[in-house]
Amino acid sequence: DAKTTQPPSMDCAEGRAANLPCNHSTISGNEYVYWYRQIHSQGPQYIIHGLKNNETNEMASLIITEDRKSSTLILPHATLRDTAVYYCIVRVTGTASKLTFGTGTRLQVTL
Amino acid sequence: NAGVTQTPKFQVLKTGQSMTLQCAQDMNHNSMYWYRQDPGMGLRLIYYSASEGTTDKGEVPNGYNVSRLNKREFSLRLESAAPSQTSVYFCASSEDVFLNIQYFGAGTRLSVL
Repeated sequence: DAKTTQPPSMDCAEGRAANLPCNHSTISGNEYVYWYRQIHSQGPQYIIHGLKNNETNEMASLIITEDRKSSTLILPHATLRDTAVYYCIVRVTGTASKLTFGTGTRLQVTL
Repeated sequence: NAGVTQTPKFQVLKTGQSMTLQCAQDMNHNSMYWYRQDPGMGLRLIYYSASEGTTDKGEVPNGYNVSRLNKREFSLRLESAAPSQTSVYFCASSEDVFLNIQYFGAGTRLSVL
């Protein structure tokens, strides 16, 4: 699975959009981008995934660059409950195997 | 719809004691997983079950055994607990192996003294 790079921490004001970047320059054609988050002391929570098109669901939007070497997770209106560690994971599909959680980005949403 | 349920939520053991962590999912998922998370670190896969009747080792299987009891339940057993097994244990399940989107339980916090 491709390696990912994320900033260690970010701050966001409540009500504003939170844009979390992820670099995955070695991604291969059959690898998807997944985002999970882990709120303190809880189990990781799936947010969204994509291959090459931009995706949106009730939680977030995922923007993937045309060359697929980077992506951005967007939380359109961040709330205090969105304070968590966000993990960008790149992996090939088709196997029941581990998710490799790196160090992620610690997002702090403030008043 | 409870999703993935883990029991117990907390447990304290003495070195050498045994115990079984229970995990059940009500989403009719085929695959199930056990991870451990040590303070300040990422999750590491202990064992997984791609489908009912199969189990495979993950990154850190030593000291653990698993049983896929049926499609819903996947248990993790510590035969002789050691202080190094103090950790938070997470169970997860996924519907299929294509996208393998995993849904996690709330975790079991285990301390081995």
